[in-house]
Amino acid sequence: AQSVTQPDIHITVSEGASLELRCNYSYGATPYLFWYVQSPGQGLQLLLKYFSGDTLVQGIKGFEAEFKRSQSSFNLRKPSVHWSDAAEYFCAVVPGGYGQNFVFGPGTRLSVLP
Amino acid sequence: EAGVAQSPRYKIIEKRQSVAFWCNPISGHATLYWYQQILGQGPKLLIQFQNNGVVDDSQLPKDRFSAERLKGVDSTLKIQPAKLEDSAVYLCASSPGWTWNPSSYEQYFGPGTRLTVT
Repeated sequence: AQSVTQPDIHITVSEGASLELRCNYSYGATPYLFWYVQSPGQGLQLLLKYFSGDTLVQGIKGFEAEFKRSQSSFNLRKPSVHWSDAAEYFCAVVPGGYGQNFVFGPGTRLSVLP
Repeated sequence: EAGVAQSPRYKIIEKRQSVAFWCNPISGHATLYWYQQILGQGPKLLIQFQNNGVVDDSQLPKDRFSAERLKGVDSTLKIQPAKLEDSAVYLCASSPGWTWNPSSYEQYFGPGTRLTVT
């Protein structure tokens, strides 16, 4: 079945440690890819996006993500996590590009230890 | 630039009652979306408007949910009658438009309305 998966439901890291959140999709065509962050009681904020071209994309708040076609993945990374990064992170996919709607993954909750 | 506005922020109702949510998108954004986000899950698209026309409502439970965007600006989502399983956060989002430019897919989200059905 076509889907977006985020294998880690909950991740805990120490402040200052590096972070990688995983996202995999199972659509045939190269999709548009997004990462959103949701803080408690807030709406979703766009962190970064990939449409085409350079497979390493930079986003806001020091985040980056790498598109790997061979692995159908779009993992989110940050070299040094801050306590304010604690939130829920959602990967979203537009499966076939133009004319299709977002499909969100289930989310990964990030906790940051002081 | 003002963001997407939603009201109310919280609503508690009993099952079988009706409820309505309001959304005002970012000025100039042609596309408006309503999502349902159940606790512990990612948002699920309920309906998408392009200006005042419906583009996709395939996942909208039409026996109890309805939505409108009469003047192509703000929108209302209604549930009548509500069921316990409708307890969720209802998110509204807008994007510049549905064009060949991929940037038109960038969605801007409001803070959501948390609905509790008892």
